Amino acid sequence: RKEVEQDPGPFNVPEGATVAFNCTYSNSASQSFFWYRQDCRKEPKLLMSVYSSGNEDGRFTAQLNRASQYISLLIRDSKLSDSATYLCVVNRASNYQLIWGAGTKLIIKP
Amino acid sequence: GAGVSQSPSNKVTEKGKDVELRCDPISGHTALYWYRQRLGQGLEFLIYFQGNSAPDKSGLPSDRFSAERTGESVSTLTIQRTQQEDSAVYLCASSSPLGLAGSSPYEQYFGPGTRLTVT
Repeated sequence: RKEVEQDPGPFNVPEGATVAFNCTYSNSASQSFFWYRQDCRKEPKLLMSVYSSGNEDGRFTAQLNRASQYISLLIRDSKLSDSATYLCVVNRASNYQLIWGAGTKLIIKP
Repeated sequence: GAGVSQSPSNKVTEKGKDVELRCDPISGHTALYWYRQRLGQGLEFLIYFQGNSAPDKSGLPSDRFSAERTGESVSTLTIQRTQQEDSAVYLCASSSPLGLAGSSPYEQYFGPGTRLTVT
């Protein structure tokens, strides 16, 4: 079993729709969780951290369920510019390394 | 402030040659990471430096790969006797385990990468 698992997609979604990404992780000792975004042929960039109480940043909402070891990202009113690969990332509890999911590709269509 | 920089941005080399890739982390970031990303694939961890501690080399795929870092500054990743399977984008990231300005100490900031092509 992979340490961080994501649906590989791609998700093909019409502009304006709501899309949800799911991610599971295996290490119950992990404490820090992130969503990164990677545009085609670009480096990953931090989208948002995920907090236990859930957090929202504009059209983006992240949720954490520690009991189920599950993280989600919701994008509302999707834009063409949201097209990218979304990476679920979890800290490796023993050091400062991060464990990276393989990413879910999102394609927003006009 | 300046972000993570990497050079060269692109490198084409012949099979069997050695290459050296450079990374300049964000000033004040004590942790530095190297990753490899093959076309259409996820990030593959290579090596991690934290301050003056011994680096974590557990991700290096073979003894042809090595990396150095001087103090808390520049790092170089060296690939000897390159093979075609080494073709990939090599990404460098840095972080501040102390956390800066309220950020998580685990947040990593990436450079634009070096695209290596071995012919």
